[in-house]
Amino acid sequence: AQTVTQSQPEMSVQEAETVTLSCTYDTSESDYYLFWYKQPPSRQMILVIRQEAYKQQNATENRFSVNFQKAAKSFSLKISDSQLGDAAMYFCAYSEEGGADGLTFGKGTHLIIQP
Amino acid sequence: EAQVTQNPRYLITVTGKKLTVTCSQNMNHEYMSWYRQDPGLGLRQIYYSMNVEVTDKGDVPEGYKVSRKEKRNFPLILESPSPNQTSLYFCASSFQGVGQPQHFGDGTRLSIL
Repeated sequence: AQTVTQSQPEMSVQEAETVTLSCTYDTSESDYYLFWYKQPPSRQMILVIRQEAYKQQNATENRFSVNFQKAAKSFSLKISDSQLGDAAMYFCAYSEEGGADGLTFGKGTHLIIQP
Repeated sequence: EAQVTQNPRYLITVTGKKLTVTCSQNMNHEYMSWYRQDPGLGLRQIYYSMNVEVTDKGDVPEGYKVSRKEKRNFPLILESPSPNQTSLYFCASSFQGVGQPQHFGDGTRLSIL
């Protein structure tokens, strides 16, 4: 079974600084998807970024970017110019290519933004 | 507006009293699923459905039932709720399969006393 590990239960960063959230996963598949979801206090689940494993280029969405290292099975999220609105739980998630099974989530990282 | 709607948002009930959490999406999505979120455990899939009349178990299906009689609706049924089912529940949908971005509902907080 696939597993997703987020080794940082909590991270803190100063406003306007850059922070990196770690995620590693375990799979024997070669084609899959990786995601980062944000869950603010409102508890909504918001897709931040999506990476297709067959693409070597790292996905980027505005201030959010990933460092996808397929051989190392690592998928970290970098948030640049951190803003107060970035404070949330962040979940890393994995899914197989063409799979019907659901997303496999990590346990989450609580990100605190210090003003 | 494209959305996944869950009801109720909050519910406190007692052990053994059957309840249903409804989920409806207006995006003509084929794939729908239910997750539960517990502190320190992240989200875990309960059931999923690839299309109408097609449902399958996820990682934690015990104590739950689902049905998919219409494409837009995917209710979660707790026939005899127990306190260990106290959790935050999310419904999600996507056009096809789980590899595509999932649209999540706003969550349902269930407390079983």
